[in-house]
Amino acid sequence: EPEVTQTPSHQVTQMGQEVILRCVPISNHLYFYWYRQILGQKVEFLVSFYNNEISEKSEIFDDQFSVERPDGSNFTLKIRSTKLEDSAMYFCAITDRSGEQYFGPGTRLTVT
Amino acid sequence: GENVGLHLPTLSVQEGDNSIINCAYSNSASDYFIWYKQESGKGPQFIIDIRSNMDKRQGQRVTVLLNKTVKHLSLQIAATQPGDSAVYFCAENTGRRALTFGSGTRLQVQP
Repeated sequence: EPEVTQTPSHQVTQMGQEVILRCVPISNHLYFYWYRQILGQKVEFLVSFYNNEISEKSEIFDDQFSVERPDGSNFTLKIRSTKLEDSAMYFCAITDRSGEQYFGPGTRLTVT
Repeated sequence: GENVGLHLPTLSVQEGDNSIINCAYSNSASDYFIWYKQESGKGPQFIIDIRSNMDKRQGQRVTVLLNKTVKHLSLQIAATQPGDSAVYFCAENTGRRALTFGSGTRLQVQP
């Protein structure tokens, strides 16, 4: 099973601040994803990234969000100006050659 | 954990019994289905998947059944163990790569 790490494990930020969440897939993969899970709710798709560009995105992924793979290894999710409702667990996922999606341990974002 | 407060259906079983967790999906165009297990404070963990050209797939202690006629998916866990206690989500792929998750079922295994 491919290994995915995420940093930080917990991020506390004030409303209006920018945050960057990082994902480090251990092996080379083609597709990268960000999902979020608001406390008490189900996992929701945010965005997928393929060949260094966004492949698809949900309606949640508005102009406040951006993704990039700055150094060909890390995969980042940036929230430009956080809102209280951005508080959630954010999961990075990757697909292996079989198409199976594997999730990282998540970053808990708390916006105060 | 992430699912505290979520009004999840709960399945409570005795250790050693078999568990069956059900999921209904809505998109008849979905062609790939996955079951994930999520323990408190962790990310979803891949359990087993099935493609729409199959109606049954078996793994180690787990079996997934797909009924496309009624758009129903089930996960069977044999000889359930306390370590199986978690929230289980089904997810579907509608031909895009993004997964659509169901709302989850909490499995509680009584020792």
